[in-house]
Amino acid sequence: GQSLEQPSEVTAVEGAIVQINCTYQTSGFYGLSWYQQHDGGAPTFLSYNALDGLEETGRFSSFLSRSDSYGYLLLQELQMKDSASYFCAVVGDDKIIFGKGTRLHILP
Amino acid sequence: EAGVTQFPSHSVIEKGQTVTLRCDPISGHDNLYWYRRVMGKEIKFLLHFVKESKQDESGMPNNRFLAERTGGTYSTLKVQPAELEDSGVYFCASSQGPDRGYGYTFGSGTRLTVV
Repeated sequence: GQSLEQPSEVTAVEGAIVQINCTYQTSGFYGLSWYQQHDGGAPTFLSYNALDGLEETGRFSSFLSRSDSYGYLLLQELQMKDSASYFCAVVGDDKIIFGKGTRLHILP
Repeated sequence: EAGVTQFPSHSVIEKGQTVTLRCDPISGHDNLYWYRRVMGKEIKFLLHFVKESKQDESGMPNNRFLAERTGGTYSTLKVQPAELEDSGVYFCASSQGPDRGYGYTFGSGTRLTVV
């Protein structure tokens, strides 16, 4: 079967750095994606890792270790607008499988 | 470019009634996906169309759910008869091809409440 594990909630302070971890068990793995979803909105694509290592896009970075079936999303210089749910997702042969999401709370 | 559009944004129906959700993908996107999120749980895959053909419908919960994509453009998802456990947010997404790092474009979802 396929499963993804990520923390249900994380709280951090504005301006700080936060890391959201994701572990997965799956067959047919092409890569790991991250999506952001604000309340009532559409999930929006943030990043994708097909190879081991760190990918940086502005304040957001994503990491993958295929041998450990592990990845994380790193958010730097947190802003209040970053309050949202973050989903890791395994990219398979013809579809994406999502985790349950991590609710990120940011304190002023 | 217009995004993925879903209609209605909200629907409240009684148990036993029928509801039809509609999704208009990005023009030219052959791949269309339906997902559902029940409160607090994962965004769960329902099915995948390539043009008008069902590529994978392994996530459809039961035969009360019927998805169509006539002509390979917009898609509908019908729930008949609706049950309480069908409540959740139904998302549609589209892409040009299999995701190899470009991501899917999601609609804002239809929030279905069955009472």
